[in-house]
Amino acid sequence: AQTVTQSQPEMSVQEAETVTLSCTYDTSESDYYLFWYKQPPSRQMILVIRQEAYKQQNATENRFSVNFQKAAKSFSLKISDSQLGDAAMYFCAYRSNSGNTPLVFGKGTRLSVIA
Amino acid sequence: GAGVSQTPSNKVTEKGKYVELRCDPISGHTALYWYRQSLGQGPEFLIYFQGTGAADDSGLPNDRFFAVRPEGSVSTLKIQRTERGDSAVYLCASSFSLSTEAFFGQGTRLTVV
Repeated sequence: AQTVTQSQPEMSVQEAETVTLSCTYDTSESDYYLFWYKQPPSRQMILVIRQEAYKQQNATENRFSVNFQKAAKSFSLKISDSQLGDAAMYFCAYRSNSGNTPLVFGKGTRLSVIA
Repeated sequence: GAGVSQTPSNKVTEKGKYVELRCDPISGHTALYWYRQSLGQGPEFLIYFQGTGAADDSGLPNDRFFAVRPEGSVSTLKIQRTERGDSAVYLCASSFSLSTEAFFGQGTRLTVV
């Protein structure tokens, strides 16, 4: 079974600075997707960024980018120019592209942004 | 609707009671997922539907939990004989297909006292 590990329960960053959230995963598959979700206090999970495993180029979405290291099974999220609205729980998630499988989530990292 | 809607937003029930949690997915989305998120944890998969049928219910913890989606749209998660350990946020998500992005609702916070 696939597992996702987030080793940082909490992180903090100064406003306008850069922070990196770590994620590692375990799988024997070669075709899959990786995601970062943001969960504010409203509880709604919001997709931040996604990465297809077959793509070597790291995904970027405005201030959010990933460092995808397939051989190391590592998928970190970098948030640049952090804003107060970035404060939330961040979850790393995995989904196989073979068969019908749901998302597998890590335990999350709570990000605080300091003004 | 504009997004995935879950009702109620919060539910407090007594141990041993029966509860139903409702999920109204985005119109046209054929895939629907239920997750449970305990305090301090990531969401854990319970069950998902493709259309009206449960394609995978391997995440349901025991036979007290059951979910239906009779017309391929709204889904109801049913919990019988609730226990304090069932207290959690129950999240619902839907997607156009199993391979496209899933959109989440705001969840139902269930508290069993």
